[in-house]
Amino acid sequence: DQQVKQNSPSLSVQEGRISILNCDYTNSMFDYFLWYKKYPAEGPTFLISISSIKDKNEDGRFTVFLNKSAKHLSLHIVPSQPGDSAVYFCAASASPGAQKLVFGQGTRLTINP
Amino acid sequence: EPEVTQTPSHQVTQMGQEVILRCVPISNHLYFYWYRQILGQKVEFLVSFYNNEISEKSEIFDDQFSVERPDGSNFTLKIRSTKLEDSAMYFCASSEASGKNYEQYFGPGTRLTVT
Repeated sequence: DQQVKQNSPSLSVQEGRISILNCDYTNSMFDYFLWYKKYPAEGPTFLISISSIKDKNEDGRFTVFLNKSAKHLSLHIVPSQPGDSAVYFCAASASPGAQKLVFGQGTRLTINP
Repeated sequence: EPEVTQTPSHQVTQMGQEVILRCVPISNHLYFYWYRQILGQKVEFLVSFYNNEISEKSEIFDDQFSVERPDGSNFTLKIRSTKLEDSAMYFCASSEASGKNYEQYFGPGTRLTVT
């Protein structure tokens, strides 16, 4: 099941610079997308979401961009901080109901001082 | 801030034994979910639960699995006869409602080890 793909297993970014995490999806029925952050030994923590009627959503240092024609979304973190080091998961759901979240494999982000 | 809690944090059981994983969702949430993550693999949806019944389940959620809300606060996942391949992190989640703009909030997980 490869409906949601995060092709970069890891990403290393210098503190203060921009981190860009990417996610692709194949199911055109997906209409709601979320990013979660996960630290070791903890559950996924919700970060930010975007509905398919929008192409951008911003919350503080986090911005999610959605390109529906390319079936691609990205998470921008700026400026990156050491506490941002974690595994980031992209997830998607499809109406109606939109209950089941389909997750990508995750990208491990490391912020270097 | 309200959070989803799960117990135990780690459960070791022998193959063929029954296990019950427990979760306390966020108190005003109405939808409850179980997901699992086998080591090195994706987080996978198992089941969603609303109004005291299953609303959606995956092909993983076969007859060996069941869910229950035995009282007003707990939400449980039972595996009747565990197999080695059931070893995974099991995450409980809850949401205020279903659909867009209703995020699912996850608990810290229970690590299940089947020997």
